[in-house]
Amino acid sequence: SQQGEEDPQALSIQEGENATMNCSYKTSINNLQWYRQNSGRGLVHLILIRSNEREKHSGRLRVTLDTSKKSSSLLITASRAADTASYFCATVFRTDSSYKLIFGSGTRLLVRP
Amino acid sequence: DAGVIQSPRHEVTEMGQEVTLRCKPISGHNSLFWYRQTMMRGLELLIYFNNNVPIDDSGMPEDRFSAKMPNASFSTLKIQPSEPRDSAVYFCASTQGTSGYTFGSGTRLTVV
Repeated sequence: SQQGEEDPQALSIQEGENATMNCSYKTSINNLQWYRQNSGRGLVHLILIRSNEREKHSGRLRVTLDTSKKSSSLLITASRAADTASYFCATVFRTDSSYKLIFGSGTRLLVRP
Repeated sequence: DAGVIQSPRHEVTEMGQEVTLRCKPISGHNSLFWYRQTMMRGLELLIYFNNNVPIDDSGMPEDRFSAKMPNASFSTLKIQPSEPRDSAVYFCASTQGTSGYTFGSGTRLTVV
């Protein structure tokens, strides 16, 4: 399976703290993406990091990618209660004729006010 | 752009009935994906299309499931006959190349 595995499965932190989520995957990728899903809603694309990049920032988000270890991390700094959601990593890899996006199992983040 | 549009938002049907889920991708996106999300199995890729052509349907669970994309602006996922274990949230997503994917709001299917 190409599915990424994420840890922790669940994370509970206090507002203002940083939240770190990790993702591991199995084979070579074109890029890795992080998505957020609020309860009962669709997925929202947060950030994309390409296989030749090591770090990327977007607002309070910082993503790292280590292709030698086949792992990535998502750091949310100065968390807010509104950051409470599930976060998924997803890997894009090439097939014979196209690219496909496969999701990990997700991390449920709870930010306590 | 209104984003990826899925319909219906909710569907409740009786076991054995045919169910058709619909998706309108973002104009200009050349790839379309159908995913299913359940608590037990998470997000599963069912099938995806590139330039309206089905590329990989290995995730389609059974022959009861079929998907079509007759043109660049419309796709359907059909389940016939439906079973209670098909109950899930079905998402459609589209993208151009390998950029970030845009997801629809999903269809919550309940088969009783």
